[in-house]
Amino acid sequence: SQQGEEDPQALSIQEGENATMNCSYKTSINNLQWYRQNSGRGLVHLILIRSNEREKHSGRLRVTLDTSKKSSSLLITASRAADTASYFCATRLNSGGSNYKLTFGKGTLLTVNP
Amino acid sequence: NAGVTQTPKFRVLKTGQSMTLLCAQDMNHEYMYWYRQDPGMGLRLIHYSVGEGTTAKGEVPDGYNVSRLKKQNFLLGLESAAPSQTSVYFCASSRQTDTQYFGPGTRLTVL
Repeated sequence: SQQGEEDPQALSIQEGENATMNCSYKTSINNLQWYRQNSGRGLVHLILIRSNEREKHSGRLRVTLDTSKKSSSLLITASRAADTASYFCATRLNSGGSNYKLTFGKGTLLTVNP
Repeated sequence: NAGVTQTPKFRVLKTGQSMTLLCAQDMNHEYMYWYRQDPGMGLRLIHYSVGEGTTAKGEVPDGYNVSRLKKQNFLLGLESAAPSQTSVYFCASSRQTDTQYFGPGTRLTVL
């Protein structure tokens, strides 16, 4: 079963608008990461937020984490056509021992229309 | 730096054929991973390695084998390909347990 689930599955907005994607997970995590995938390409890391952090910024990206609700959101402000891509959340479990694995959600397909 | 590279980019196999996918990284990362990506399924971990000479099973290891003879290389083998193994395969590496760096992918079709 998927540890992380993104919502919505697809999102279409106009250039300049903000885009918000959500991720929910089931078990305690060490950190949560967001990745972007352009069509036909590999995944690119965007931002990592640790379980003891509540908010993080990187350029036009803002990520929040609510461990009580087991959810995270990714906000892209002032979107551009080049932001069109699939966005994935990935969680690293807090297993107590070393856990090298990330579990990915199914992704949100964002389309930014010019 | 080339980062993470994968060979080949595309491949078509017949059922029962074998092949090896090569992943190479030049970032001196300890950890390497093989994923498959299918429509509507996201990425699923096949096998991973936490260092040269070590490998471990991921979420969907059946039908695949791996080897990590050199730190910079991680090989994924299909001994007898099946149509269910039609997918896009991604390799990734990481320095420790956080950010993973992905290769461009290998698109495999099994007829």
